[in-house]
Amino acid sequence: EAGVAQSPRYKIIEKRQSVAFWCNPISGHATLYWYQQILGQGPKLLIQFQNNGVVDDSQLPKDRFSAERLKGVDSTLKIQPAKLEDSAVYLCASSLDPSQNTEAFFGQGTRLTVV
Amino acid sequence: AQSVTQLDSQVPVFEEAPVELRCNYSSSVSVYLFWYVQYPNQGLQLLLKYLSGSTLVKGINGFEAEFNKSQTSFHLRKPSVHISDTAEYFCAVSVIQGAQKLVFGQGTRLTINP
Repeated sequence: EAGVAQSPRYKIIEKRQSVAFWCNPISGHATLYWYQQILGQGPKLLIQFQNNGVVDDSQLPKDRFSAERLKGVDSTLKIQPAKLEDSAVYLCASSLDPSQNTEAFFGQGTRLTVV
Repeated sequence: AQSVTQLDSQVPVFEEAPVELRCNYSSSVSVYLFWYVQYPNQGLQLLLKYLSGSTLVKGINGFEAEFNKSQTSFHLRKPSVHISDTAEYFCAVSVIQGAQKLVFGQGTRLTINP
């Protein structure tokens, strides 16, 4: 079974530029998560999708971050414009049915450096 | 709201020694509890989880954890560690009702010395 795929693995941009990350969840997984992991901290949930609807985006900085999950499969996370404090690893995860507490599977992440 | 505190940011141990990584949580509602491991430049991998039943939970790679409701703790243990256990370990909780989102602690870096 293929895992959660993320691209790119690494990205370096200048502040005020825009950037986009892509995630392909495990086939059949209805729930998709985007987490932000700042160096030295635990992952923090940015947004949770159930199919193509948003379940929780309470911690997403909506003035600069946006995410979509068209057709309930792949997802993209965008930052525009980027700030220095956005430097982090962005992790995508998916799960089959969180109401049954099935395991969330994580991708390898995209490491973003804003200079 | 839920929160997780991992009491040690770094834990160095010698190979074949026992180890305990400490985790305390705070929540006004019942939660599920998890431990994840993150190897360098990798995503997170589930080690074990507590949903209900026996408070002693066994996971992969010889790890186990004990849920203590009165002390709101979920400490991770391994009786004998290996070099390959060097990684970052994260404790996490999720509420039982509603949207299942994981709230993570800040992580404990386990370093195994030969």
